[in-house]
Amino acid sequence: GENVEQHPSTLSVQEGDSAVIKCTYSDSASNYFPWYKQELGKGPQLIIDIRSNVGEKKDQRIAVTLNKTAKHFSLHITETQPEDSAVYFCAQGDSSYKLIFGSGTRLLVRP
Amino acid sequence: DAGVTQSPTHLIKTRGQQVTLRCSPKSGHDTVSWYQQALGQGPQFIFQYYEEEERQRGNFPDRFSGHQFPNYSSELNVNALLLGDSALYLCASSLEHEQFFGPGTRLTVL
Repeated sequence: GENVEQHPSTLSVQEGDSAVIKCTYSDSASNYFPWYKQELGKGPQLIIDIRSNVGEKKDQRIAVTLNKTAKHFSLHITETQPEDSAVYFCAQGDSSYKLIFGSGTRLLVRP
Repeated sequence: DAGVTQSPTHLIKTRGQQVTLRCSPKSGHDTVSWYQQALGQGPQFIFQYYEEEERQRGNFPDRFSGHQFPNYSSELNVNALLLGDSALYLCASSLEHEQFFGPGTRLTVL
């Protein structure tokens, strides 16, 4: 069935260090993998996404990698800043356009 | 562009009541999806509307229903509210894969 596992559930890093969040999915038909950032009291904000025909995508300090064979995808944040502190969600989508979300990672960047 | 807007922001209901939540999509978007987010969890897909029809539905009971209007705005209706329906209800609009979320409606059922 459709399922996305996300790890870790919490992550604490020192400002300036890197943070990595990993997700594993089960549905082979998945072809779209977005990442969302959710701050307290707000809706999820799309920060980066990748499609199954691409292995890696980068946008300034944020990068996403996809391994379709292993059904893994990861979010990498470099040079973390206190304003990166939030809950991050991975998700998977297919041709039906619905999204299946992971359980979230609470990232804390210590000044 | 105001982005995705939702109303109301907060709502308190009692068990057995009915509720209607509203969503206006981002300008130019024709598809609206609804998600339920319980505290400390990821959003769960309820259903999606396109061309005023329900295109896809998640694992939610028939108490959850919706509607999409010709201007692409949408409503989510929940009947016979249960305590477990307390959650943040999120609306997302899209053209294709990329979904953009509104701020949500916090529903509390007492």
